[in-house]
Amino acid sequence: DVKVTQSSRYLVKRTGEKVFLECVQDMDHENMFWYRQDPGLGLRLIYFSYDVKMKEKGDIPEGYSVSREKKERFSLILESASTNQTSMYLCASIGAGTGNYGYTFGSGTRLTVV
Amino acid sequence: GNSVTQMEGPVTLSEEAFLTINCTYTATGYPSLFWYVQYPGEGLQLLLKATKADDKGSNKGFEATYRKETTSFHLEKGSVQVSDSAVYFCALSDLNAGGTSYGKLTFGQGTILTVHP
Repeated sequence: DVKVTQSSRYLVKRTGEKVFLECVQDMDHENMFWYRQDPGLGLRLIYFSYDVKMKEKGDIPEGYSVSREKKERFSLILESASTNQTSMYLCASIGAGTGNYGYTFGSGTRLTVV
Repeated sequence: GNSVTQMEGPVTLSEEAFLTINCTYTATGYPSLFWYVQYPGEGLQLLLKATKADDKGSNKGFEATYRKETTSFHLEKGSVQVSDSAVYFCALSDLNAGGTSYGKLTFGQGTILTVHP
């Protein structure tokens, strides 16, 4: 079964810490995405990547960066965590040219910043 | 820019009731439309899709019709079950299948559905 795996289900971090959220997919997908999910706001795109070392800003990139050194791994980095970054973070991947039919989501990481 | 608006929630129904969750969108061009479902403690799963006007997507008893004239994609089910309790997201992609697409999706705010026995 194809998978997108996020390394942690729950994380608690302190304000000002550097936080790494990891996502790994085993489907050889070109495109990978990081969304955050907040009640009443749905999912909002933070960053995406369409190839190794390539990245594009989404709708809410402020306070975040990303890294994609290998095709299967896409990391979200909170340079200096703040309480307004407390949220559910979802990673997703899709193969190029599949018309969005093959989107696969991870189970999410619930991050609490205290 | 693109946007998706879903009806306000949460929605609470009794088993076997009829379900409608409204979804309207704003987009340039000819978007593809989707409904995703998120069961408790899980990631999102694609429920159904439609890629052009008048297409009807269907799956697991759920249906939605792509209405270009009203820019809507309302989700319906004739008889809900307790197991349908979940969060439902309407979403669009602004590029049709076959075109160059990175797969970016714009989501609505989500509707929480609770079905009681």
